[in-house]
Amino acid sequence: EAGVVQSPRYKIIEKKQPVAFWCNPISGHNTLYWYRQNLGQGPELLIRYENEEAVDDSQLPKDRFSAERLKGVDSTLKIQPAELGDSAVYLCASSNRGSLVDTQYFGPGTRLTVL
Amino acid sequence: EDQVTQSPEALRLQEGESSSLNCSYTVSGLRGLFWYRQDPGKGPEFLFTLYSAGEEKEKERLKATLTKKESFLHITAPKPEDSATYLCAVQYHGGSQGNLIFGKGTKLSVKP
Repeated sequence: EAGVVQSPRYKIIEKKQPVAFWCNPISGHNTLYWYRQNLGQGPELLIRYENEEAVDDSQLPKDRFSAERLKGVDSTLKIQPAELGDSAVYLCASSNRGSLVDTQYFGPGTRLTVL
Repeated sequence: EDQVTQSPEALRLQEGESSSLNCSYTVSGLRGLFWYRQDPGKGPEFLFTLYSAGEEKEKERLKATLTKKESFLHITAPKPEDSATYLCAVQYHGGSQGNLIFGKGTKLSVKP
């Protein structure tokens, strides 16, 4: 079974430029998460989708970050404009919320460097 | 205030030298505690889920245990391929359902 797919794996941009990340979750998983992981830290949630609905975006910096999950499958996370402090690894995870506690499976991440 | 604290931050072991990693949490109403392994340049890889105090789970050289305040990841006779960062995360009642709160991880190095 294919895991969570993310692209690109690496991205280097200059500050103030836009950038987008793409995620394809595990087939059949209705819940999708975007996390940001800074060096030496654990992942921190940015946004959670249940199917195509964003049910928790409280940690998403909405002035520059946006996300969408059309048709409840693939998702895109965008930053515009990027700032130096946005340099981090952006992780996508998915789960099947059919039980009380659902296990999240992570993709390989996109390492963003903002110069 | 940290809700999930992992210790030590880094641990260096000789091959075959058993040890334990600690994850303490302050959230109430635990729904589940998760252990993940993360290799450099990769996403976290799921290892275990623990649901209630007293529960134990094993996988190869790893054994995870849970009490009401903390979890331990015991590594028995580690090998160099066990070198990675081990992340602990919790889901709890009262938080946004399904969201994981992660610790900062313990970086394990096993020397041959």
